[in-house]
Amino acid sequence: GAGVSQSPRYKVAKRGQDVALRCDPISGHVSLFWYQQALGQGPEFLTYFQNEAQLDKSGLPSDRFFAERPEGSVSTLKIQRTQQEDSAVYLCASSFRSRGGYEQYFGPGTRLTVT
Amino acid sequence: AQSVAQPEDQVNVAEGNPLTVKCTYSVSGNPYLFWYVQYPNRGLQFLLKYITGDNLVKGSYGFEAEFNKSQTSFHLKKPSALVSDSALYFCAVRDMIRDDKIIFGKGTRLHILP
Repeated sequence: GAGVSQSPRYKVAKRGQDVALRCDPISGHVSLFWYQQALGQGPEFLTYFQNEAQLDKSGLPSDRFFAERPEGSVSTLKIQRTQQEDSAVYLCASSFRSRGGYEQYFGPGTRLTVT
Repeated sequence: AQSVAQPEDQVNVAEGNPLTVKCTYSVSGNPYLFWYVQYPNRGLQFLLKYITGDNLVKGSYGFEAEFNKSQTSFHLKKPSALVSDSALYFCAVRDMIRDDKIIFGKGTRLHILP
């Protein structure tokens, strides 16, 4: 079956522009996670959904970051008024378990460059 | 706070030799530990996990990891390295407080020399 897909794979945005990053999880996976990976660093947790409910958004760095998963499948991470420090790879992962204690399946990521 | 540390930024190993990528953890209680691998331009791939049971965990692509509670370590190992094992490896631990979250180390780049 298909894995986790993300689009676009690459995004260049001018500072101040809004962007929307899409994640298609593996069909049937209950949990969906967003991570931010800066260059040379490990992924940092942003937010977590169980079905359509956003249960944890403690990792979102500012109120410019917003995520949704309205029907419990596809998710969108939106960044408003992008800043240069938002430049990173944004990773989406899904899991068939309801908690993060089990393996997560990652998409290829969206590389965001803010100029 | 829960965390994992990967003390080596890079590890170089000759093809055919055994490899070890180090990880130590800091958690309260019994840890859930993971290893992931990241190939260029690809997402992270799950290799193996330790939750409970045998201290030696076997995973994908011939990798294994040894859980050592006394040393708070979870080193990744492989008896004979392949050039195709060259990648970025991440150790991770489940956050014991917010257990939906996985905390990743900063990664170790593994170079297998032909």
